[in-house]
Amino acid sequence: GAVVSQHPSRVICKSGTSVKIECRSLDFQATTMFWYRQFPKQSLMLMATSNEGSKATYEQGVEKDKFLINHASLTLSTLTVTSAHPEDSSFYICSATLKETGLMNTEAFFGQGTRLTVV
Amino acid sequence: AQSVTQLDSQVPVFEEAPVELRCNYSSSVSVYLFWYVQYPNQGLQLLLKYLSGSTLVKGINGFEAEFNKSQTSFHLRKPSVHISDTAEYFCAVSNQGGKLIFGQGTELSVKP
Repeated sequence: GAVVSQHPSRVICKSGTSVKIECRSLDFQATTMFWYRQFPKQSLMLMATSNEGSKATYEQGVEKDKFLINHASLTLSTLTVTSAHPEDSSFYICSATLKETGLMNTEAFFGQGTRLTVV
Repeated sequence: AQSVTQLDSQVPVFEEAPVELRCNYSSSVSVYLFWYVQYPNQGLQLLLKYLSGSTLVKGINGFEAEFNKSQTSFHLRKPSVHISDTAEYFCAVSNQGGKLIFGQGTELSVKP
């Protein structure tokens, strides 16, 4: 099956610094990647949709200047949390879509997630 | 707008017992439905999906789900659970494009 690799799996950073999280599709080309955020014991909330070669589309309430998304190639999207604060501590998960033959819809494959702790 | 409701936040069950995790959705357009499982501090693994065709969908690890359009439901079932099935389960809906809207999650706890 399609594999999505997310790196790092865990990161601890100081308040005020920036952190970059990478999401790679290893064996397929992903025209679209999605970034989710998950607080403890809660569901996944979509942050943004990332399309290769174009600007990301952010969900309502997500600060685009704080969560910078870059999708420079068909296999890599990055999420940079800028000027991180303790309230940004969360589990961030990316997914990439693979077009299925004959179907317009796409199935999403998820990375392993990144546990961000801001101290 | 689409939404997903998982009716049970926690489901405790004994090993080898059957289980049903409930999911209802709302959407004004045709949807695609998914069930994912998440183990602690890990990403999501697809259990099964309904895109079209037969309304009874079989997935991995012995799970199955039935799409019921009239009741807008997509309940997940397993006839006999194992300790290893203990995890968080998420129902999700998607339209064309792959963007997923998740339910709140159901914590399945299998006890010996």
